[in-house]
Amino acid sequence: GAGVSQSPSNKVTEKGKDVELRCDPISGHTALYWYRQRLGQGLEFLIYFQGNSAPDKSGLPSDRFSAERTGESVSTLTIQRTQQEDSAVYLCASSLEQAIPRKPYFGAGTRLSVL
Amino acid sequence: GQQLNQSPQSMFIQEGEDVSMNCTSSSIFNTWLWYKQDPGEGPVLLIALYKAGELTSNGRLTAQFGITRKDSFLNISASIPSDVGIYFCAGLIRSVGATGTASKLTFGTGTRLQVTL
Repeated sequence: GAGVSQSPSNKVTEKGKDVELRCDPISGHTALYWYRQRLGQGLEFLIYFQGNSAPDKSGLPSDRFSAERTGESVSTLTIQRTQQEDSAVYLCASSLEQAIPRKPYFGAGTRLSVL
Repeated sequence: GQQLNQSPQSMFIQEGEDVSMNCTSSSIFNTWLWYKQDPGEGPVLLIALYKAGELTSNGRLTAQFGITRKDSFLNISASIPSDVGIYFCAGLIRSVGATGTASKLTFGTGTRLQVTL
């Protein structure tokens, strides 16, 4: 597609359940980022992928959070045993890492609500 | 970790006025980016800056990459109602470490712009 696509756009889950959030980056983009944005707040870095590897996982808040990327394309962010404080919009961005200029483009996000 | 201080936090201005916002950091960046976010949407890239001292325009928007590489500002001239939204600065730095080359994109806290008629 033309832009970064995220699915689902909205997810409501019960506390304790696992959720998977998907990001389809712009075709050919080698870099992929995940961010979390709580209501009325800024963007909190979670993880960065270069190709299929993640050289920077420093933003993952706990071991309940994990992410993978396959085929240098789609990425999945998994949250296990969700808690109410996980409620937020999860945003994905991609960029053509080897290009100059490097411009990360964002998807519309997945709004996660944990009841 | 790196912190980006963005100011002002919010602005209420009248249509037609010029707007200025800025970001400062304790660390240097290779690239400064400015995004706008509308409610329920992801951030949209407005302007990207790649060299210290660079001044770039995009329509009514003008942004500059500070000489010290630790700051940037965004100006919006002759504001219109559709300029309403939250503006974020972001600093990008690439580093080479034991696990490979990583790009870190750090965001400011945002400036909420309201435009009145």
